[in-house]
Amino acid sequence: AQSVAQPEDQVNVAEGNPLTVKCTYSVSGNPYLFWYVQYPNRGLQFLLKYITGDNLVKGSYGFEAEFNKSQTSFHLKKPSALVSDSALYFCAVRLDRGSTLGRLYFGRGTQLTVWP
Amino acid sequence: KAGVTQTPRYLIKTRGQQVTLSCSPISGHRSVSWYQQTPGQGLQFLFEYFSETQRNKGNFPGRFSGRQFSNSRSEMNVSTLELGDSALYLCASNKGIMRLMENTGELFFGEGSRLTVL
Repeated sequence: AQSVAQPEDQVNVAEGNPLTVKCTYSVSGNPYLFWYVQYPNRGLQFLLKYITGDNLVKGSYGFEAEFNKSQTSFHLKKPSALVSDSALYFCAVRLDRGSTLGRLYFGRGTQLTVWP
Repeated sequence: KAGVTQTPRYLIKTRGQQVTLSCSPISGHRSVSWYQQTPGQGLQFLFEYFSETQRNKGNFPGRFSGRQFSNSRSEMNVSTLELGDSALYLCASNKGIMRLMENTGELFFGEGSRLTVL
């Protein structure tokens, strides 16, 4: 069965410091991995994805993520956090592009708080 | 290009009633999927529609149903509402094309419909 784990419910970091939001996955087959962000009372916004190729993926708003196949991880990172980055972050996985294009398996989410 | 539009944004119902939520996908997107978001269960997949056909269904009771129209707009319906149905219902669209170079699969979400059941 496909699953995604975000081991931290909350991550707190000071503005200007680097941030990491962790994600590990468990799928059979090649994973398609995604990060989304959700601001209060809003829908999910796509940040970045890993499909194939370079293990370091760059996305929106200065975020990047590193795919590590041996550790089955896809951690989200940013070199210098901003207060405006404070939000709920979701990691998601899809097994392939078959008949389940619309189905992603989401982690429970990590609340990121960046302190000024 | 307009994003995914969901209506209504907020609604309050009482137990036993039914509700219909609407979703208009991004123009040209043929796949529409629905998710339920609650603090306790997180994001859970309800179902996906493509070309007016349900392509996939999550583990929800039959009270939850949906449909898609020829213009790709979708509706979901929840009958005999229960308190536990209170949630944010999110709709997402996707091109629906399976070829890798045309579609790497990210979903585009609407702002959601927040349902409160009293």
